[in-house]
Amino acid sequence: AQTVTQSQPEMSVQEAETVTLSCTYDTSESDYYLFWYKQPPSRQMILVIRQEAYKQQNATENRFSVNFQKAAKSFSLKISDSQLGDAAMYFCAYDDMRFGAGTRLTVKP
Amino acid sequence: NAGVTQTPKFQVLKTGQSMTLQCAQDMNHNSMYWYRQDPGMGLRLIYYSASEGTTDKGEVPNGYNVSRLNKREFSLRLESAAPSQTSVYFCASSEYGGASGELFFGEGSRLTVL
Repeated sequence: AQTVTQSQPEMSVQEAETVTLSCTYDTSESDYYLFWYKQPPSRQMILVIRQEAYKQQNATENRFSVNFQKAAKSFSLKISDSQLGDAAMYFCAYDDMRFGAGTRLTVKP
Repeated sequence: NAGVTQTPKFQVLKTGQSMTLQCAQDMNHNSMYWYRQDPGMGLRLIYYSASEGTTDKGEVPNGYNVSRLNKREFSLRLESAAPSQTSVYFCASSEYGGASGELFFGEGSRLTVL
């Protein structure tokens, strides 16, 4: 079965700085999708970014980008120009089946 | 602009009681899901329904049953609640299902079993 590991339970970043959240996964499949979801204190989960495994180009959504290393089974999220509103739990997900334990991001003003 | 609606938002049960969590989506999505979220464990899939009329077990199905009532509604039932089922439950839907679709989540239901 696929597994998803987020090795950083908590991270902290200064406002306007850049932070990278790590995610590794294990699978024997060649075609799959990876996702980062954000869960603010309101508890509402929302999609941040999606990566298709067959695409070599890293996905980007405004200030959010990923570093997808298929051979290493690594999928990190980079948040540039961090804002106070970025403070949340971030979950890495493999398809719709497996989620990591989450990383709590704190943004310091 | 409702999206995915879950009821109730909060519930306290005694061990052995039963209850049903209701979920409805208004986006005409094909696939629906139930997850539970526990501290330090992320979200774990309980059951999912890839399309109307089908349901499948996820990672942690024991102690739960589901019903895909129609395309819009997907309910989760606890027949005999146990303290281990204390958790926050999320319903989600996806247009395409399977691996590629973005999940749209409800606001969650916090269940406490005493």
